This record gives sequence, C-alpha cells and structure tokens, in this order.
Amino acid sequence: GAVVSQHPSWVICKSGTSVKIECRSLDFQATTMFWYRQFPKQSLMLMATSNEGSKATYEQGVEKDKFLINHASLTLSTLTVTSAHPEDSSFYICSAPTGGTQETQYFGPGTRLLVL
Amino acid sequence: SQELEQSPQSLIVQEGKNLTINCTSSKTLYGLYWYKQKYGEGLIFLMMLQKGGEEKSHEKITAKLDEKKQQSSLHITASQPSHAGIYLCGAHPYSSASKIIFGSGTRLSIRP
Repeated sequence: GAVVSQHPSWVICKSGTSVKIECRSLDFQATTMFWYRQFPKQSLMLMATSNEGSKATYEQGVEKDKFLINHASLTLSTLTVTSAHPEDSSFYICSAPTGGTQETQYFGPGTRLLVL
Repeated sequence: SQELEQSPQSLIVQEGKNLTINCTSSKTLYGLYWYKQKYGEGLIFLMMLQKGGEEKSHEKITAKLDEKKQQSSLHITASQPSHAGIYLCGAHPYSSASKIIFGSGTRLSIRP
C-alpha cells in the first residue's frame, strides 16, 4: 500500500534554532500534502496545506512566517519551524492523499520535536 | 467551520466486551474516515465511508455512516488488547476538499 515517510522521527533542538522536517510519499505522487500538529492527549490540528508548485495554504491562527512550508517536488514537502521555542514542542504529522476516484489519505509516522 | 465531536472521550472496556465510539457533526460529512493511533505514533487507516447509510467491516471492527451523513459510529466486537489506542474520526470540511479535519479522539483501554 501507499507509504508516507517522515524524517527525522524525533529531534531535540535549542531555543532559537530552526528545524526542518521532511515528508515523502514513497510510491505515489502527491501534488498536495498536509501538515498537522498534535499536543499530548489532544487530537490532530491541521496546520497547513502544502501545494506543489505554489504557496502553502495556512489554517487560521498558524503563523506562516514561523512554519515555512516548501513542496519541492511531487514526492517531498518540508516543514521548517523557524526560531523554535519550547511551546513549539509537539508531534508533527504529515499526510498525503493518493488521488483518484478511490482517494484515501496516508499519514506519516510523525516527528517528535522537543525544544529546550 | 465544521467541528467533529467524538464520544466518549475515553473508554475502559473489559477484554472480550463490545464497544461503540461515536462521531457527530453539525454539518454534512463528506468522506468520513476512521483512524487508529498509538500514542506518539502515526495514524493507521481503518475505514472510509462516503455514502449515507454505508457500513463497512474489517475483522472485528464495523463502521457506519447514518443516512443524513452527520453521524458515524465505530463498533468493536469482542475487544482485544490489540484494539487499545486512540481512535480518531476525520472528515473533509466540504465536498471538494482533500484536507481532513479531525474529531477530538477517543482513548480506548482494554482491561485484561
């Protein structure tokens, strides 16, 4: 079946630094990918829609200058958390729809970010 | 904006017992998804329902979407420890959307 990978699986960084998270669709092309954030014991909150070849679309309340999204190719989207602070510590998950008449959506394994 | 309410928020069930999780929306649901998540891990796709009245089953899990497409239920028969986790319902906010908005989740624990 379709697989979505994320890298790294976990990262620890110092406050003020930037962190890049990659999301790849391994056996299908995705013109659109989605980025979610999940805090402990909470559900997934959609952050933004990553669009190949155009700007990302951000959900209300999400700072686009802080969470930079680049959809470099049909199989890769990156999320960069700029000037990270401890409150950015969270579990970040990406997903990609497979497209077609039987479209479903596959999720990556997630990236755990801890900002010290 | 569409909001999905899940109930119950958490559930502890004796192994072997049946259970039901509900997902309710104030608006029509377009593409209702059920996922399972182990804490700190990615999501496992369970089922997707699109048509009003649709019902799907996989192993001991059955999901239904009501005729009005505003409520879905997930039923597990003869629960096992492997069923423990967080169950999330998700839906497209409108018919042409690919993005999925999630419910609050239901944390299921199975008591041996």
